[in-house]
Amino acid sequence: AAGVIQSPRHLIKEKRETATLKCYPIPRHDTVYWYQQGPGQDPQFLISFYEKMQSDKGSIPDRFSAQQFSDYHSELNMSSLELGDSALYFCASSSGGPRFPSYEQYFGPGTRLTVT
Amino acid sequence: ELKVEQNPLFLSMQEGKNYTIYCNYSTTSDRLYWYRQDPGKSLESLFVLLSNGAVKQEGRLMASLDTKARLSTLHITAAVHDLSATYFCAVDMYSGGGADGLTFGKGTHLIIQP
Repeated sequence: AAGVIQSPRHLIKEKRETATLKCYPIPRHDTVYWYQQGPGQDPQFLISFYEKMQSDKGSIPDRFSAQQFSDYHSELNMSSLELGDSALYFCASSSGGPRFPSYEQYFGPGTRLTVT
Repeated sequence: ELKVEQNPLFLSMQEGKNYTIYCNYSTTSDRLYWYRQDPGKSLESLFVLLSNGAVKQEGRLMASLDTKARLSTLHITAAVHDLSATYFCAVDMYSGGGADGLTFGKGTHLIIQP
C-alpha cells in the first residue's frame, strides 16, 4: 500500500540558511500534519492542514511556515535556521476532515535535518 | 495545556515475561493512540482507541482506555526480542477541527533481553 512520501530524506544546512521540506500524503488523504522530533525526544506537533487550509497550530516557530497545495502535498519552509532546528521532521496524513475524521495519522519516513 | 505522562520511561525485561506500560493524560479526551518507533525510524501506528472501555489486541500487545481515569495501558504478554522499541502514547488536542495535532508522552524505551 502507498505510504506518505517525504523529501528529501536527509538535509544538511548551515546556520541562517533556509530549507524546504516536502510531504506527499497517502492517495485520497486530505489532511496533513507536521511534527518535529529532536534527538531522544517525543514528537512535537507543529501545524496541520485540511483541504489546503490551516487547521490546527502547535509549537511552530515564527521562522517556519507551511502550506498545502491543490494536489494535497505540503511544504514546510524553514528560514534563519538555528542549531536547535536539527531534528527529524515527520509528516503524517489522514482522511475525512472535520466532519468525518478517520483520526488515525499515518506517518512518513521523516526528513533528518542537520544544521551546522 | 494538555499533558501526557508515560511510565516507566525505561524498561528492560526478559523474554517470556509480561509487563504493562501506563499512559496518563490531563484533559478530557476519548481518543488515545499508541505508536511504536524503532531507532531513527518512523512512527508505526499500533492502536487507535476511540471510546471509554475500548480494548484492542494485536499479537502480544493489548491496549485499553479508561477515559474516566484518563488512563490507557499497553500490556505486553510473553515478550519477545522483536518487541524491543520505543512506545509512545499520544492524545489528540481535540479542537473540533478534525485535523488536531497529537500530544505525545515522553515514550517508553523497551529492551527485551533473551
